[in-house]
Amino acid sequence: DTAVSQTPKYLVTQMGNDKSIKCEQNLGHDTMYWYKQDSKKFLKIMFSYNNKELIINETVPNRFSPKSPDKAHLNLHINSLELGDSAVYFCASSPYSVSYNEQFFGPGTRLTVL
Amino acid sequence: GQQVMQIPQYQHVQEGEDFTTYCNSSTTLSNIQWYKQRPGGHPVFLIQLVKSGEVKKQKRLTFQFGEAKKNSSLHITATQTTDVGTYFCAGPEGGGTSYGKLTFGQGTILTVHP
Repeated sequence: DTAVSQTPKYLVTQMGNDKSIKCEQNLGHDTMYWYKQDSKKFLKIMFSYNNKELIINETVPNRFSPKSPDKAHLNLHINSLELGDSAVYFCASSPYSVSYNEQFFGPGTRLTVL
Repeated sequence: GQQVMQIPQYQHVQEGEDFTTYCNSSTTLSNIQWYKQRPGGHPVFLIQLVKSGEVKKQKRLTFQFGEAKKNSSLHITATQTTDVGTYFCAGPEGGGTSYGKLTFGQGTILTVHP
């Protein structure tokens, strides 16, 4: 009955590889997000989709490409992985509301690039 | 762009002591949210404050939103070991955009010694 789920939980890979992280939410929310959390715990938004449409696209290398096949899923594909990509990546979702947008986070994917 | 500053970055307390973390925004906020992230876990929504000067309590936690809606605080009375974690404040950009983009503070990492 997990509200926001992500796979995989851990991802260890070599520099230069391509990898994907998947996210699914069963809350019926319209908006989904990808966040990156660095080793100092800083949470930075990367992308946001509302009903399959990209609405937030922060300054992120174009090696990162999000895809939303439907409003319950948001995937993140990363090309040519670099050491600096090592971090925890969180998916989140929220209802589409002007006044109230509590965000529900997934368990996170710990990416380690060797 | 909007900046949300949070202090202190770290706080070590003895069990039973009080704890406070402070949040300051560079812009006026339509609302402010607080999240808690346990070690190894994901951010979990605690509360949202909307009104100028608002004070809300959740058991031993007291949340305040400043009169100018640019600062906020979280106070924990008589800390327990279960309070350990990172506490984040977050404010929406653009004065409450319906896109739900949140700017997170750097977080305060709380450790509690039994």
